[in-house]
Amino acid sequence: DSGVTQTPKHLITATGQRVTLRCSPRSGDLSVYWYQQSLDQGLQFLIQYYNGEERAKGNILERFSAQQFPDLHSELNLSSLELGDSALYFCASSPQGGVNTEAFFGQGTRLTVV
Amino acid sequence: LAKTTQPISMDSYEGQEVNITCSHNNIATNDYITWYQQFPSQGPRFIIQGYKTKVTNEVASLFIPADRKSSTLSLPRVSLSDTAVYYCLVAGDNNNDMRFGAGTRLTVKP
Repeated sequence: DSGVTQTPKHLITATGQRVTLRCSPRSGDLSVYWYQQSLDQGLQFLIQYYNGEERAKGNILERFSAQQFPDLHSELNLSSLELGDSALYFCASSPQGGVNTEAFFGQGTRLTVV
Repeated sequence: LAKTTQPISMDSYEGQEVNITCSHNNIATNDYITWYQQFPSQGPRFIIQGYKTKVTNEVASLFIPADRKSSTLSLPRVSLSDTAVYYCLVAGDNNNDMRFGAGTRLTVKP
């Protein structure tokens, strides 16, 4: 158990809908990262937050947005969903904002868009 | 951004030592090299991290030459349970972009 909690574990929704994925980082970790992983594909970095502020941005679509709240949990919002958005979405956390520390990944949320 | 290149796949047999090399020609001075392991449908798990020379922990060793343009993850005496995808990641304090490369799919055979 990495200490990072993601909810829900599975989500099935229809095209055009909007969903919210939630991530609770390890206790004390200030940094949260979001990744998307399609079937048999690599990990696509989406976005990073550090202590409530956006720190780095990757290949995140305009239809997607994220935020980190004062209690440090984070949410990833996916809107106008398309079939191609079906994927595993991972959240990771680390103690600081730099990447010279170990990041801990959650078990992921499997999103299926039908 | 430091781009990484790894072999797409590797095969090995139980009990052998496996070495996976990652190329990162434009690594920056402040960048660290980190390796993660991922099993199907699970989140990646940290294996080892280094900056230069050699780092060893209870599961692996990481060899980094003086020019730091490549690194080699060494897994001693692999078992079937080491079958996974291994990712090399290069990032640092001035580059918070934790982008993973394509990874190396290691298959350990009996």
